[in-house]
Amino acid sequence: GQQLNQSPQSMFIQEGEDVSMNCTSSSIFNTWLWYKQDPGEGPVLLIALYKAGELTSNGRLTAQFGTTRKDSFLNISASIPSDVGIYFCAGQWYSGGGADGLTFGKGTHLIIQP
Amino acid sequence: KAGVTQTPRYLIKTRGQQVTLSCSPISGHRSVSWYQQTPGQGLQFLFEYFSETQRNKGNFPGRFSGRQFSNSRSEMNVSTLELGDSALYLCASSLDFHGHPLKNIQYFGAGTRLSVL
Repeated sequence: GQQLNQSPQSMFIQEGEDVSMNCTSSSIFNTWLWYKQDPGEGPVLLIALYKAGELTSNGRLTAQFGTTRKDSFLNISASIPSDVGIYFCAGQWYSGGGADGLTFGKGTHLIIQP
Repeated sequence: KAGVTQTPRYLIKTRGQQVTLSCSPISGHRSVSWYQQTPGQGLQFLFEYFSETQRNKGNFPGRFSGRQFSNSRSEMNVSTLELGDSALYLCASSLDFHGHPLKNIQYFGAGTRLSVL
């Protein structure tokens, strides 16, 4: 099935640094979501975006819905140890008649170096 | 409010066997979706159930099937297991998959890890 292009695959950063990751698609979506998955757990929703150009924040996290509707970006400011994990972008096409299943990127593995 | 509950958490089966996984959605959620997660293919959509009916289906063979009960609980079944079916199977529920986008937010369970030997 289709997958989104998510980059980078992994990031090695120092505590306190800012983090940026992005996701691109060959198809348009009208919903973009960002999830975080910790080992042994399911993905947990961080931010949901519903409108092209929309910029939404959740604490130190900020995400944007690209104006082309084919991309999205996630920024984490002032990283802390608990930010370690795998971050997934997901796109979804919703219409009045229903919604498709989520299409996921392959994830960005965030590692914080001591 | 309890989250999405998946049972069992771990399963070991052998090739050719069949397996049934269970998912209890968040109370009040009517839609249940299933995903397969593997290191090679990542997270892939299997199917979605709403009101005991399959409404959406991903690109998986017919060996993968599911059902939903009147209380919104769902099961998925994989028949004639293959080595490549080893994966983390995730269930997600939402208030109403077939409605306003805000009601379509999917909340995931911790998954069932299936190992096929």
